[in-house]
Order: sequence, then C-alpha cells, then structure tokens
Amino acid sequence: NAGVMQNPRHLVRRRGQEARLRCSPMKGHSHVYWYRQLPEEGLKFMVYLQKENIIDESGMPKERFSAEFPKEGPSILRIQQVVRGDSAAYFCASSSSGQGNTIYFGEGSWLTVV
Amino acid sequence: GENVEQHPSTLSVQEGDSAVIKCTYSDSASNYFPWYKQELGKRPQLIIDIRSNVGEKKDQRIAVTLNKTAKHFSLHITETQPEDSAVYFCAASRPNFNKFYFGSGTKLNVKP
Repeated sequence: NAGVMQNPRHLVRRRGQEARLRCSPMKGHSHVYWYRQLPEEGLKFMVYLQKENIIDESGMPKERFSAEFPKEGPSILRIQQVVRGDSAAYFCASSSSGQGNTIYFGEGSWLTVV
Repeated sequence: GENVEQHPSTLSVQEGDSAVIKCTYSDSASNYFPWYKQELGKRPQLIIDIRSNVGEKKDQRIAVTLNKTAKHFSLHITETQPEDSAVYFCAASRPNFNKFYFGSGTKLNVKP
C-alpha cells in the first residue's frame, strides 16, 4: 500500500525559473493538501484540493504560485519565477475525506533556488 | 482562523525521563488534534491523535490529554529513548473541514 508519493525529492532552480512539484495521494484518497516548511520552522498550510477543485487556497501567495489536482494524474504545485525565498521543503498530504480525517504526509520535495 | 501555540520550542531530557509538550488552540470549534513526529530530513509522521469527545488517549509510551474548557492539549512521552529525538508538531482542525493548523514545533533531544 503505497503512501503519498512526491517527486522530485530534490529540485534546484535558478532565480526566475519555474518549479513543478508533483504529488500522488495514497490509494483511495481524494483530498490533497500542500504545506510549506522553511528551515527550522513549522508547517504552513498552502492549499487544499479535491479532484478538479480548489477547496481552500488561503495559504497560497497571491502571485507566482498555483496548484491543481486534475481528474487524471497527480496534483501539481507550480511556482513561477522562483526567488531565493521560495527555498523550502514542500510537503503534500492526503486524506480519504474532507471531514475530520487524518492526513498523511509524503516525503517532501526540497526546493533550492540558487 | 485557528491559532495553535506550542511550548516549549526545545526540550532536552535524559534517557528514561518523561517529556511533556503543550499546545493551546483558539477556535473552540476545533475537535481533532493529531501529533506528528518529524525526524531530520523526513516527513511528518502521525504518532497519536485525539478527538474532542475524549479527554485522554494512550499508546504504549505515548499519551495525549485534552482539556476542552481550557483549550489546551498535551503530549506525554514516558521512558524516553534516544530514538524519540525529533521535532514534534501538534495540530488542530475543525469538524467538516480538513484544514489543519500546526504548532511551531518542539525539538526534543533525548540524551543517552
């Protein structure tokens, strides 16, 4: 029973490039969440998605960041024109429903902007 | 929105001692409180959780207590071992919505 799968695990981008992070939820899970973790800090909510729907994106920066969870395929977190401050670990989590269920995290994608 | 505060930020104990981490929350509608353990460079892993209809839950050396009136919950680890060293995060969520608010984390160091 595969857990939440994220790729790439590590990504290096130059300032101004685009970063695309992918997340496949656990089998049977249809709810996906993205969290950002800066070094030595906690987990900050970014966005909550269901298939083809963004439920809550209140934690997403207004510019350069976008997320989707298409009908087929993984959820994608896209960061355009990356800056050094985007360097962080991006964790995806999934749950089986949207009401009071435990969320399980993937191994994370570590983005480094040089 | 919800605000979860966690204390202490760092905790150092001797192997075999107990460790207690405390969290407070602001939204009285929150009813689910999980705890996650994160080792360096790894993903957060759920270690125990509690819902608002119970006051305490135990799983071997780990226990969580919840005081709904005071809006605080605590993680208790007994007979600590070096492998318990990690960062621990508390979280809270409301019913009918799976948006989790995390505390800032506690770095636990268990000295052999």
